[in-house]
Amino acid sequence: GAGVSQSPSNKVTEKGKDVELRCDPISGHTALYWYRQSLGQGLEFLIYFQGNSAPDKSGLPSDRFSAERTGGSVSTLTIQRTQQEDSAVYLCASSSGGWETQYFGPGTRLLVL
Amino acid sequence: EDQVTQSPEALRLQEGESSSLNCSYTVSGLRGLFWYRQDPGKGPEFLFTLYSAGEEKEKERLKATLTKKESFLHITAPKPEDSATYLCAVQDTGNEKLTFGTGTRLTIIP
Repeated sequence: GAGVSQSPSNKVTEKGKDVELRCDPISGHTALYWYRQSLGQGLEFLIYFQGNSAPDKSGLPSDRFSAERTGGSVSTLTIQRTQQEDSAVYLCASSSGGWETQYFGPGTRLLVL
Repeated sequence: EDQVTQSPEALRLQEGESSSLNCSYTVSGLRGLFWYRQDPGKGPEFLFTLYSAGEEKEKERLKATLTKKESFLHITAPKPEDSATYLCAVQDTGNEKLTFGTGTRLTIIP
């Protein structure tokens, strides 16, 4: 069946611009997660959604980062006023519940010039 | 705070040469330990979940084991297609997020 999809696959932007990253979870999965993978570092948790609510936003690095989820499905991660240190691969995962196995999408590679 | 340390950082093996990857962890209460495989330019692919010390799981040439402090991923008679980065992650009983190690980059030489 269809897995987690993310768009765009690659994004190049200029410092100071805003970007939106999209995640389509596996159909029926109620839990959705965003992670960030920087070069040479492990995956870093950003935010967790259960349905449309975000009970854990503890990983968002600054108030320039925000995320929303609508209809219990698609999620958008927004980065405002991008900085060069925001360059990374942004990965989305979904699971059938908060304690179940997380399945990852292919990621969005963000490069801030 | 949960911590995961993987070793070695990189490992080169000849085809057919068996070895093990290590994942040491510190967690307040373990809900599950996860192994993923990640190919270049792709997202992590789920391999195994282990829940309690003494548990073992196998898939083709891979076997994962778990103790109270570490997990091993044993690779038996590897093939070039096993080349990838292997990621270990823990989930504690207090929240749903995964805490990842930095991975072991495995290269199998034909």
